[in-house]
Amino acid sequence: EPEVTQTPSHQVTQMGQEVILRCVPISNHLYFYWYRQILGQKVEFLVSFYNNEISEKSEIFDDQFSVERPDGSNFTLKIRSTKLEDSAMYFCASRRDTAKGETQYFGPGTRLLVL
Amino acid sequence: QKEVEQDPGPLSVPEGAIVSLNCTYSNSAFQYFMWYRQYSRKGPELLMYTYSSGNKEDGRFTAQVDKSSKYISLFIRDSQPSDSATYLCASDSGSARQLTFGSGTQLTVLP
Repeated sequence: EPEVTQTPSHQVTQMGQEVILRCVPISNHLYFYWYRQILGQKVEFLVSFYNNEISEKSEIFDDQFSVERPDGSNFTLKIRSTKLEDSAMYFCASRRDTAKGETQYFGPGTRLLVL
Repeated sequence: QKEVEQDPGPLSVPEGAIVSLNCTYSNSAFQYFMWYRQYSRKGPELLMYTYSSGNKEDGRFTAQVDKSSKYISLFIRDSQPSDSATYLCASDSGSARQLTFGSGTQLTVLP
């Protein structure tokens, strides 16, 4: 069964460093998403991506964040200058389309720890 | 504004019990409702998906939606220790149908 994959599974970085989180969505999916979950808190939407551009983003997704689909398979989230409060699980998700009956499938997550 | 509210738990039940998990939502734009299961430090796994009022059954799981009262439920019959996880209700909205999650209910099924 196709699944969303994410690398790395864990990342430790120093405050102020740049990190890139990588995702490989399900191959025939068209919509891609990033969510984050701070320990003990809700899963929160960050950004959605369709047709090589951002379609929606939350107030969390500020200028420190960017997303890219550099090739036909990878989808990346970059945090330019990490802050302590960026420590969280980051989940990538993908969806085939937005028709009724279609929903999102999540990857296993990347645990980011900013020291 | 808390758009999706969920009973926080934790909930502990004996094996074989019927479990009822509940959420309410406030956004009338929500049309589609999901239940995800999340094991510790893993990604959410889709359990049930529904888009109309009424019941939807899948094995031991039944999802129930009441749009008039903005209430969604998940029932687990004959609960098993392997059902121990956090259960997240969610709904989607927006042009990209991004998900809004509840806070999750942590369920423990005791053998």
